[in-house]
Order: sequence, then C-alpha cells, then structure tokens
Amino acid sequence: GAVVSQHPSRVICKSGTSVKIECRSLDFQATTMFWYRQFPKQSLMLMATSNEGSKATYEQGVEKDKFLINHASLTLSTLTVTSAHPEDSSFYICSASFRAGYEQYFGPGTRLTVT
Amino acid sequence: GQQVMQIPQYQHVQEGEDFTTYCNSSTTLSNIQWYKQRPGGHPVFLIQLVKSGEVKKQKRLTFQFGEAKKNSSLHITATQTTDVGTYFCAGGGGADGLTFGKGTHLIIQP
Repeated sequence: GAVVSQHPSRVICKSGTSVKIECRSLDFQATTMFWYRQFPKQSLMLMATSNEGSKATYEQGVEKDKFLINHASLTLSTLTVTSAHPEDSSFYICSASFRAGYEQYFGPGTRLTVT
Repeated sequence: GQQVMQIPQYQHVQEGEDFTTYCNSSTTLSNIQWYKQRPGGHPVFLIQLVKSGEVKKQKRLTFQFGEAKKNSSLHITATQTTDVGTYFCAGGGGADGLTFGKGTHLIIQP
C-alpha cells in the first residue's frame, strides 16, 4: 500500500518558537495532501488542504498566518507552526491522496508539545 | 457545513460478541470511508463506499451505505482482541478533505 512518512514524530519546543513538520509520500505522487489535528481521544479535525504548486485552502477558524503550509512537490508538504503557544500542543497528522475521490493515506503523526 | 455524527462513542464487548457502529451525515455524501486507528497509532484506511445501498465485506467486517447516501454502518462479527481501536467514518474525500465522525472506541474484554 501507499506509504506516507512524517518527520519529526515528536517535538518539544519553547513558547514563541516555530516548528516545521514534514509530510512525504514515499512511493506515490500525491496530488493533494491534507493536514489534520487530533486532540487526545477525539476525532481528527481538518486544518487545511494542500495542492502541489498552489496555495493551501484553510478550514474556517484555522489561522493561515500561524499554520503555514507549503506543498513544494508531489511528494512533500510542510506545516510550520509559527510562534507556537502551549495551546498549539496537539497531534498533527498529514494524509495524501493520489487520485481525486479515492482514499487518503495517513502519516504516523507528529506529537507537538509547546512548553 | 457538513456534519458527520457517529454512535456510540464507546462500546464494550466481550470477545466473540458482535459490534456495530453507525454514522449519519447531515447532507448527502458522495462517498463514505472508514478508518481504524489503533491506540497510539494513525488512521488506516479500511474501505470506501460510493454507491447507494452498497454493501461490502472484508472477512468479519461488513460495511453498508444507506440508500439515501446519508448513513453508513460497520459491523464486526465475533470480535477478536485485534479489533481493539477507534473506528472512524468520514464523509467526502479526494479533492476535499474528509469530515470525520467522532469515532467509536471499541474495547474488548477477553
């Protein structure tokens, strides 16, 4: 099956710093990548949809200046949490889809802790 | 916006008993997908349903898509300890991100 990697798997940073999370599709070209956020024992909430070479589409309530998304190639998307605060601590998961209307393949997630 | 509701939130069963989780959407769905997330893991795709009234089976798992394409169910026959996890339904997909239900946490008592 399709494999999606995410790096780092865990990161601890100080309040006010920025953190970059990478999402890579390892064995397929992803036309679209998605970024989700998940709180403990809760569902996944879509943050933004990212298409290669174009600006990401953010969901209502998600600050695009705080959560910067770059989809530089068909195999790489990055999420940068700028000026992180403790309330940004969460589990961030990316997914990739290689064909419109088909399933999404999820990365293993990144646990962000802001102290 | 689209809302996807899923029940129950938690389900405790004895090993060997059956399990069902239900998913309802506020709007007609183009497709519905089901994912399983093991404790500490990430969601893993199980199946996608597209057609009205569609039924698909994967060994002990049976997935149904309602006639109106607004509801779906996942039924597991004779649960095993390996079935433990959270099962999410999700509406939409492809060019649009998925709208996930809150998930059903399946807890199995041996």
